[in-house]
Amino acid sequence: AQSVTQPDIHITVSEGASLELRCNYSYGATPYLFWYVQSPGQGLQLLLKYFSGDTLVQGIKGFEAEFKRSQSSFNLRKPSVHWSDAAEYFCAVVLYSSASKIIFGSGTRLSIRP
Amino acid sequence: NAGVTQTPKFRVLKTGQSMTLLCAQDMNHEYMYWYRQDPGMGLRLIHYSVGEGTTAKGEVPDGYNVSRLKKQNFLLGLESAAPSQTSVYFCASSDPGTGNTEAFFGQGTRLTVV
Repeated sequence: AQSVTQPDIHITVSEGASLELRCNYSYGATPYLFWYVQSPGQGLQLLLKYFSGDTLVQGIKGFEAEFKRSQSSFNLRKPSVHWSDAAEYFCAVVLYSSASKIIFGSGTRLSIRP
Repeated sequence: NAGVTQTPKFRVLKTGQSMTLLCAQDMNHEYMYWYRQDPGMGLRLIHYSVGEGTTAKGEVPDGYNVSRLKKQNFLLGLESAAPSQTSVYFCASSDPGTGNTEAFFGQGTRLTVV
C-alpha cells in the first residue's frame, strides 16, 4: 500500500544545532514530495517541494531537503535551528497519476532546547 | 488575499446533531480536500474533489458527506455527529493543472462532539 512514514514522533534539539527530520515513502513511481510546518493552533504552511531535477531543494526559513530515490527518502534539514522553529513538521506526497490524493505522514514534533 | 477560508473556526455539537463545515477558496483551484487531524495521526484525508460537481472518498470517509456544487466551495457534512468525530478539520485546495501541485490550507475548524 502507498504510504508516507515519519519515524520520529518527537525530536528535541538545542538552539543553534543542526536538524534532520526523516521522511520515507512507498510508491511505485517517484511522487511529488512536500514538507509542511504547522505552528500551534495554525494551519499548514509549505516549506518546500520537489518534483524533479536537482535532488537538493531549498525552501523558506532556511530549510532544505534532499530526495534520495535509492532510499525512497526526502529528509528535511536545517544547519542551525532557532527557537521559532519549534512546531510540527509534516511530510506529504502526491501521485497525480493515481487519484490525485495528497497523503501526509503522521508528523514530527520539534522542540527547541534553549 | 484570503486563500482558503473555513467556517466556523470552533463548534461544539451534541451527539446526534448535524452540521456543515464550509470551505471557500478564491484561487480558482480545481482540487479541494477535507482532512481531519488527530494527535499522533497526522492528517487523514476524508473526502476530496477534483472539480466542480465531483467528489471522491479518502482514507476515512465514514460518517461524512461532501458536496462541490460550486468550484470555489467544498462543504463537509456530519449527519449524526459522534464523539469519535471530535477533531480539527482542515480544508485545502490545489491546482496541478496550472502548476500549483502543493496544497494550500485553511486555518482549521476545531469540532468537539459531546
